[in-house]
Amino acid sequence: GDSVTQMEGPVTLSEEAFLTINCTYTATGYPSLFWYVQYPGEGLQLLLKATKADDKGSNKGFEATYRKETTSFHLEKGSVQVSDSAVYFCAPGARAGNNRKLIWGLGTSLAVNP
Amino acid sequence: GAVVSQHPSWVICKSGTSVKIECRSLDFQATTMFWYRQFPKQSLMLMATSNEGSKATYEQGVEKDKFLINHASLTLSTLTVTSAHPEDSSFYICSAQFAIDEQFFGPGTRLTVL
Repeated sequence: GDSVTQMEGPVTLSEEAFLTINCTYTATGYPSLFWYVQYPGEGLQLLLKATKADDKGSNKGFEATYRKETTSFHLEKGSVQVSDSAVYFCAPGARAGNNRKLIWGLGTSLAVNP
Repeated sequence: GAVVSQHPSWVICKSGTSVKIECRSLDFQATTMFWYRQFPKQSLMLMATSNEGSKATYEQGVEKDKFLINHASLTLSTLTVTSAHPEDSSFYICSAQFAIDEQFFGPGTRLTVL
């Protein structure tokens, strides 16, 4: 069945460090790919997305590129801030009628120290 | 982004009782809402897709008579856990579909069954 493998956390970085969170997936068809973020005490928020091969999603300094050949969607940020401390979820979304059914990774907890 | 609320944010109940959780889209209409369940340190599991005015579509392994879903309006979906037992204790999250590639999530409801 469809699945997603995310880099295990927790990840602890110093401010301004480079961040990579790996994500690979298996999915039937041609899914859209999403990264969601959950800040402490808040609900899940869409961070970025990519809908076709080689698309790069970006938001708030984060980027991820849809790599069809490696079925990956790694999240990167060149210089993290304390405010980036959160849990990050990779979620491929397969088309199901008029909806997207999201498949969720375990989430990667990121802590950024000043 | 759009706002989705859930009520209650947490609930404690006795075994055998039923609990209703509400999910509301506050500033947009949502034909489709999703209900997820999350166990500690695990990923989100899609339980069912709720469509306004029609029966919910349950994922394999989810008991529809146990988890009753009603999507009576374009801004409200409810999940009722019937005859709850301790194994139903979990974090329940809803999302409302704004567009095919955009879901907005509620903050979640923590259910504890004694």
